[in-house]
Amino acid sequence: AQSVTQLDSQVPVFEEAPVELRCNYSSSVSVYLFWYVQYPNQGLQLLLKYLSGSTLVKGINGFEAEFNKSQTSFHLRKPSVHISDTAEYFCAVSGYSGGGSNYKLTFGKGTLLTVNP
Amino acid sequence: EAQVTQNPRYLITVTGKKLTVTCSQNMNHEYMSWYRQDPGLGLRQIYYSMNVEVTDKGDVPEGYKVSRKEKRNFPLILESPSPNQTSLYFCASRTVYNSPLHFGNGTRLTVT
Repeated sequence: AQSVTQLDSQVPVFEEAPVELRCNYSSSVSVYLFWYVQYPNQGLQLLLKYLSGSTLVKGINGFEAEFNKSQTSFHLRKPSVHISDTAEYFCAVSGYSGGGSNYKLTFGKGTLLTVNP
Repeated sequence: EAQVTQNPRYLITVTGKKLTVTCSQNMNHEYMSWYRQDPGLGLRQIYYSMNVEVTDKGDVPEGYKVSRKEKRNFPLILESPSPNQTSLYFCASRTVYNSPLHFGNGTRLTVT
């Protein structure tokens, strides 16, 4: 069974500071990794994805993430955050999930990023 | 515009009164899924559908039903809602197995 652990439930930072949101996963098979962002009262938007190839993945809004297979991690980073980055961020893993061929997307519990002026 | 549309956005109902939340996508996606989002628990899969007339249980299917009679529609049915089904619900769709999910804007359900 696959699982995702987001190590911080809340991360407060000041504007223009760097940020790292941590994500670890477990899976017995090859996985595909995603980060989603949820702004208040909205659905989830894809920030970036890792399917294969380069382990450093760049996404929208200046975010990037690095896939580390040996540490089973997929941490999200941004060198300088803005007030508008305040949102909840979800790490997710997709892998084959047994009967029914369900490549289920399993989510972490989310990290609330709050950017303060 | 490519999108997943859920209705209604907000719904308040009473225990035991059957309700349906509709979901429609215009991207010709084979795969559709329902999630519920609860504070501190993230998103949990309720049901999914690999294609028309093919549905299966996710992690938290109790108290829910779905149907997939057409490719574009995937309604979520609560036959007898209970207060523990108060939650934020998301419908999502995708194409191939490693493609990202596209999400609707959510339905906030309150059962009193």
